[in-house]
Amino acid sequence: GAGVSQTPSNKVTEKGKYVELRCDPISGHTALYWYRQSLGQGPEFLIYFQGTGAADDSGLPNDRFFAVRPEGSVSTLKIQRTERGDSAVYLCASSRASGIPNADTQYFGPGTRLTVL
Amino acid sequence: GQNIDQPTEMTATEGAIVQINCTYQTSGFNGLFWYQQHAGEAPTFLSYNVLDGLEEKGRFSSFLSRSKGYSYLLLKELQMKDSASYLCAYMDSNHQLIWGAGTKLIIKP
Repeated sequence: GAGVSQTPSNKVTEKGKYVELRCDPISGHTALYWYRQSLGQGPEFLIYFQGTGAADDSGLPNDRFFAVRPEGSVSTLKIQRTERGDSAVYLCASSRASGIPNADTQYFGPGTRLTVL
Repeated sequence: GQNIDQPTEMTATEGAIVQINCTYQTSGFNGLFWYQQHAGEAPTFLSYNVLDGLEEKGRFSSFLSRSKGYSYLLLKELQMKDSASYLCAYMDSNHQLIWGAGTKLIIKP
């Protein structure tokens, strides 16, 4: 597609449930990033993929959070045993490459608004 | 927390000019980005500076001074549609973006 897409756009779930959030990056972009953003804050880094592998997962808050990118394109962020504090907008971004000036500009998807009741 | 600061909110008048400042402190630096984010939408890329100086792109310009750890975004001929949050972010030595909290720009007629 022309841009980064994310599904669903909104997700309401109950505390303790499992959720999956999907990101489809720009075609040909090798680097993919997950962030979450709370109101009035900048994006908070969660995890970054270069190809199929997680190059940096230092931003994942705890082991309830996990992400995969099995074929180097679509990625899924998985949250187990959701808590009310997980409520936020989850943003996905992709870039042509990483670590290469002018090729590592990140382009964002529209985000998934997660609400945990 | 991360060492990057920008004002929380600014107000300007339609047709005027506004400058949004961003300061940062980091030992590893690989460029400074500005993004625009309208309420309820994703950030959209505006500019990237890796060398000192001014980059002009239409009504928007971005400036960087690496020695001072300082950048600004200059918006000219303000339009109502420019009302948004403006996020600055630097790229660290690991090529990760470190984000400011954003500056909410309010444009008044």
